[in-house]
Amino acid sequence: SQELEQSPQSLIVQEGKNLTINCTSSKTLYGLYWYKQKYGEGLIFLMMLQKGGEEKSHEKITAKLDEKKQQSSLHITASQPSHAGIYLCGVFRLGYGQNFVFGPGTRLSVLP
Amino acid sequence: NAGVTQTPKFRILKIGQSMTLQCAQDMNHNYMYWYRQDPGMGLKLIYYSVGAGITDKGEVPNGYNVSRSTTEDFPLRLELAAPSQTSVYFCASSYWDSGAPNQPQHFGDGTRLSIL
Repeated sequence: SQELEQSPQSLIVQEGKNLTINCTSSKTLYGLYWYKQKYGEGLIFLMMLQKGGEEKSHEKITAKLDEKKQQSSLHITASQPSHAGIYLCGVFRLGYGQNFVFGPGTRLSVLP
Repeated sequence: NAGVTQTPKFRILKIGQSMTLQCAQDMNHNYMYWYRQDPGMGLKLIYYSVGAGITDKGEVPNGYNVSRSTTEDFPLRLELAAPSQTSVYFCASSYWDSGAPNQPQHFGDGTRLSIL
């Protein structure tokens, strides 16, 4: 099993609808990153959460970190076609080859 | 702002051929990484480097080699291309030191490689 699991695996919503993507870690979370990837492009950094209970927003995207549940959620309000893409969560692991570990991604489609 | 630049964007190789994927960053980042991304499999770390002259294996290093002679460049070499190496390859960089931990990675746009 992977260290980071994401749900749902894919999501199709109508434009204007709200949605939530979850990222759950099998290990204690000390910090978490959210990235977005459009087809044929690299990953774009969205935001980083470092403390339990921390909540950050970027335009209509809000992410929250729940250390007790070892989980982070990404919420999009009033979705738009521009929100479509693959959302990946990631963590930085010191002592694990000093690298980033990523979840498998959630593919979001927004229908106009 | 260039950020992380990968070349080429697309490439088709025949089995057994060799090639080098280029990666350059202009942000003075000390860490650089190579990932491969296969459909539904997420990102797998191939190799990483913590600074010029220092490289180490990631999760899936077999069939690849890297070098880091400068801070800016981190090329990935495929010596004998195999169909299993068909994938999208991403280079990334980040800055880390004990006083500024948890800095995010910056990614290039990827190289789409097909081995036929």
